[in-house]
Amino acid sequence: GAVVSQHPSRVICKSGTSVKIECRSLDFQATTMFWYRQFPKKSLMLMATSNEGSKATYEQGVEKDKFLINHASLTLSTLTVTSAHPEDSSFYICIANGIEGYTFGSGTRLTVV
Amino acid sequence: LAKTTQPISMDSYEGQEVNITCSHNNIATNDYITWYQQFPSQGPRFIIQGYKTKVTNEVASLFIPADRKSSTLSLPRVSLSDTAVYYCLVGPGAYNTDKLIFGTGTRLQVFP
Repeated sequence: GAVVSQHPSRVICKSGTSVKIECRSLDFQATTMFWYRQFPKKSLMLMATSNEGSKATYEQGVEKDKFLINHASLTLSTLTVTSAHPEDSSFYICIANGIEGYTFGSGTRLTVV
Repeated sequence: LAKTTQPISMDSYEGQEVNITCSHNNIATNDYITWYQQFPSQGPRFIIQGYKTKVTNEVASLFIPADRKSSTLSLPRVSLSDTAVYYCLVGPGAYNTDKLIFGTGTRLQVFP
């Protein structure tokens, strides 16, 4: 079946630095990529929606200059957390939408110290 | 997208059948009901999807009454490894492009 490879699975970074999270669709084209954030014992909250070749659409309250999303190809989308702070520590998940429906990434645990 | 309501948590013991009910009073005619399972620090994974009546696969059954305003996920003979959060989502089927809206989910704890 369809697989989305999400990396890294875990990352620890210092406050003020930037972190890039990659989601790569294997053997299928992801026309749309959804990026979610999940705080401990909370549900998944949609951050933004990106379509290949166009700017991402951000949900209300999500800073587009802080969470940079690039979807330059049909198989790769990236989320960059810029100038990370401890409150950005969370679990980030991508969900790809393609011809086979929705495919979930395995998630990235970001810890900002 | 229809809003869903589920119990926040449930407890069970190994070998028992677990039924988790989800309310979706505003479900639209073309909406499907999909259940996902999530383990800690992992992405959700698809369990089952249905439109009406009953659907069964190798891991679960999904019961949907005629009015479709609720659905029940049934897990037969749960084991410790079924401890997870279960999400009920309602939307226009698996092959649409709409964003997925996750509710609170139900945290199932299975005890030995």
